[in-house]
Amino acid sequence: QLQLQESGPGLVKPSETLSLTCTVSGGSISSRSYYWGWIRQPPGKGLEWIGSIYYSGSTYYNPSLKSRVTISVDTSKNQFSLKLSSVTAADTAEYYCARQESRIGFGEYGVVFDPWGQGTLVTVSS
Amino acid sequence: DIQMTQSPSSLSASVGDRVTITCRASQSISNYLNWYQQKPGKAPKLLIYAASSLQSGVPSRFSGSGSGTDFTLTISSLQPEDFATYYCQQSYSTSYTFGQGTKLEIK
Repeated sequence: QLQLQESGPGLVKPSETLSLTCTVSGGSISSRSYYWGWIRQPPGKGLEWIGSIYYSGSTYYNPSLKSRVTISVDTSKNQFSLKLSSVTAADTAEYYCARQESRIGFGEYGVVFDPWGQGTLVTVSS
Repeated sequence: DIQMTQSPSSLSASVGDRVTITCRASQSISNYLNWYQQKPGKAPKLLIYAASSLQSGVPSRFSGSGSGTDFTLTISSLQPEDFATYYCQQSYSTSYTFGQGTKLEIK
């Protein structure tokens, strides 16, 4: 059974860089069938897709965050990571990682996020 | 970006009720529409994909329909464990977007 687990600091100072890692267990991150994604949820609010990565390192990002986001993959550790620079209080959120699979169409289209990690709360505050 | 608008934002219902939640896209997205359930303190869980396909392991009281811009999620007979927040998500555009959520509460 595939499981994902987010890890990283729960508190980040304004203007610094948020860094999180997602560790995948019970399956290989190098599978050609899947991408891997990051999604966030501010407290009491809705879901926002941040970006996604393929095992080869190919990435694509939410245009609203693109200038500040970097997602990378380490296949040797079965992990992928998120970096979000120049954070502000608006970046305070629960951050989730998830497996991304195309159920219709192909590649980046017709995708679902399943399963998800349990999430990790990151607070931006001095 | 494609905007996803859910209605209602909140809904009160009783066990055994039939409930329908609506999701509208700002442009046609064919059937590239998914539904998720989120319980407090938990990650979202996939319920329906491609507008009407039931995810493995999800009870058959959940169903989805629609195409183009208008979609619905129906729960045929509410169970106590169904009280949660529901989100739609489009994957027609590669800038994936979610609806704002519909909170289903016990009446």
